[in-house]
Amino acid sequence: DTEVTQTPKHLVMGMTNKKSLKCEQHMGHRAMYWYKQKAKKPPELMFVYSYEKLSINESVPSRFSPECPNSSLLNLHLHALQPEDSALYLCASSQAVRPGSYNEQFFGPGTRLTVL
Amino acid sequence: AQSVSQHNHHVILSEAASLELGCNYSYGGTVNLFWYVQYPGQHLQLLLKYFSGDPLVKGIKGFEAEFIKSKFSFNLRKPSVQWSDTAEYFCAVSLMNRDDKIIFGKGTRLHILP
Repeated sequence: DTEVTQTPKHLVMGMTNKKSLKCEQHMGHRAMYWYKQKAKKPPELMFVYSYEKLSINESVPSRFSPECPNSSLLNLHLHALQPEDSALYLCASSQAVRPGSYNEQFFGPGTRLTVL
Repeated sequence: AQSVSQHNHHVILSEAASLELGCNYSYGGTVNLFWYVQYPGQHLQLLLKYFSGDPLVKGIKGFEAEFIKSKFSFNLRKPSVQWSDTAEYFCAVSLMNRDDKIIFGKGTRLHILP
């Protein structure tokens, strides 16, 4: 299984709502990522989890809260978002960095988020 | 800071033309190099990768890329493009044995005319 799955595919939420995005992989990867992608732009890294611990937070506002319940699952909790947060949110996974390894990332299809 | 530059933001070619998309990176250490493709409405897919060994790497769908260490470059090529190659192409770099992060270039939008 070389797939990263994400749910939901589409999400529309108001600025006062609380919602969560989910990501799952069964490739035994120990690094998982959240990216935000605006139209016609490259993915922007938000968070990296390595061995279920948050290893990189790219100065993301606290209205985005990641969670890694186990090595296969990654969540992104959303609260009090702004319209400018509307984007495609991508999850990815890779083998975590260790001597001799390489970290090719496998991407999920994304959740298209619209904040009204 | 490490960075990845893609020189062409938007490329328009006719079918059967040859393609070369430029990518340069700024980092003096050992790197892993990738080209990802994003077809319209689809998710990012790995086109090819370089970790070590032969600097000329072949990927899916007839694409290849050449790593030239002295030029810090990893240009993507295809001898004869097809309409179905219309997509956004991202060059990316990761730093060997450093953190789990990869750095993406800004992307090149390729449009193939039928």
